Amino acid sequence: NAGVTQTPKFRILKIGQSMTLQCAQDMNHNYMYWYRQDPGMGLKLIYYSVGAGITDKGEVPNGYNVSRSTTEDFPLRLELAAPSQTSVYFCASSWTENYEQYFGPGTRLTVT
Amino acid sequence: GENVEQHPSTLSVQEGDSAVIKCTYSDSASNYFPWYKQELGKRPQLIIDIRSNVGEKKDQRIAVTLNKTAKHFSLHITETQPEDSAVYFCAATSPRSGGSYIPTFGRGTSLIVHP
Repeated sequence: NAGVTQTPKFRILKIGQSMTLQCAQDMNHNYMYWYRQDPGMGLKLIYYSVGAGITDKGEVPNGYNVSRSTTEDFPLRLELAAPSQTSVYFCASSWTENYEQYFGPGTRLTVT
Repeated sequence: GENVEQHPSTLSVQEGDSAVIKCTYSDSASNYFPWYKQELGKRPQLIIDIRSNVGEKKDQRIAVTLNKTAKHFSLHITETQPEDSAVYFCAATSPRSGGSYIPTFGRGTSLIVHP
């Protein structure tokens, strides 16, 4: 099992550009999450999904969008990138709520 | 929504000492409390967790205690080793508006173990 995979590992965007961060898991987990991690701020939840076709906002959803058309994939879309979106983004999955989350390796995004 | 406070932000100990990291939470409906370890440049990984129907859990050198009345929980590491150096995050899982239980993370504690 590959676990949770994310692409790309690094990306530099110009202000106003758009991109999609890819996340996939092969553990047949129902729950998937997107977090951003800024220095000294912990992990902030952007969006989460409890199953294919079901998504909901987390603490910091502004400027992002998600979709969940399959159990395996949970892409995160950034529209009109801003410097405030410079961060490390982690995707995670869990079998169900209140269980261990498995994290992907992260994507380091810089917006200049 | 849930608010999780974590202290201290930095903890420096000598090898062999014990380390304690404390977290408080605000939502009394929170029922699952995991702890994650993140080494530099790596992804967070679960090291121990506790559910609201248990007061204490231990796994070798690591233990977690939960006080539901006071709404706080703590991570205890005994006989610390240099490889314990990392950032540790606590989380509390609470119900959201749609009914799902979703975690809120603390800001993290950077543990430094000096040889």
